[in-house]
Amino acid sequence: QQQVKQSPQSLIVQKGGISIINCAYENTAFDYFPWYQQFPGKGPALLIAIRPDVSEKKEGRFTISFNKSAKQFSLHIMDSQPGDSATYFCAASSKETSGSRLTFGEGTQLTVNP
Amino acid sequence: KAGVTQTPRYLIKTRGQQVTLSCSPISGHRSVSWYQQTPGQGLQFLFEYFSETQRNKGNFPGRFSGRQFSNSRSEMNVSTLELGDSALYLCASSLVLGVNEQFFGPGTRLTVL
Repeated sequence: QQQVKQSPQSLIVQKGGISIINCAYENTAFDYFPWYQQFPGKGPALLIAIRPDVSEKKEGRFTISFNKSAKQFSLHIMDSQPGDSATYFCAASSKETSGSRLTFGEGTQLTVNP
Repeated sequence: KAGVTQTPRYLIKTRGQQVTLSCSPISGHRSVSWYQQTPGQGLQFLFEYFSETQRNKGNFPGRFSGRQFSNSRSEMNVSTLELGDSALYLCASSLVLGVNEQFFGPGTRLTVL
């Protein structure tokens, strides 16, 4: 019940296109859903996060869509750029049951072709 | 403001040895979490420390341990190293316990031969 399932495993998008990565969870106690971006040789960097009281959050070209009833959330990258090529991880945590502990998805390797 | 720093960045050890990794959180952050990242298992939570006490623990054997000092700096130790312990070990800091927003360091790449 602690798992977070992420898809696709890899994604190739043309420059200017929209990248969409999906995640699903089972634990209804999760109350925080961040997305991290990781470049080779670096640690994950917090990109954007959402809480279950809103259905969408947008920051620049990055948007999280959240569907509480379906227990799913997704990351949309608009106008994808080659510099966005990285591995993206969704995660979830429950402040009440597990403190700051993050449960991560398996990761999506995004390649944006010029 | 400086980010999370981890030392050393790279480490090579042999089976049976032990290793200690260090993490300095963002200034003012008092909670430190450790994660293991491998190609096969992904990112897995090891433990979380706050006020020098372990507050949360993942599903790892007792060979993995940690501690936190009064200045919030943290160390993790792995004893009797196994080949499968080869991984990127990441430290993340947050303001206080239970604050979800976590910031990661660059990691320590451990190779066990």
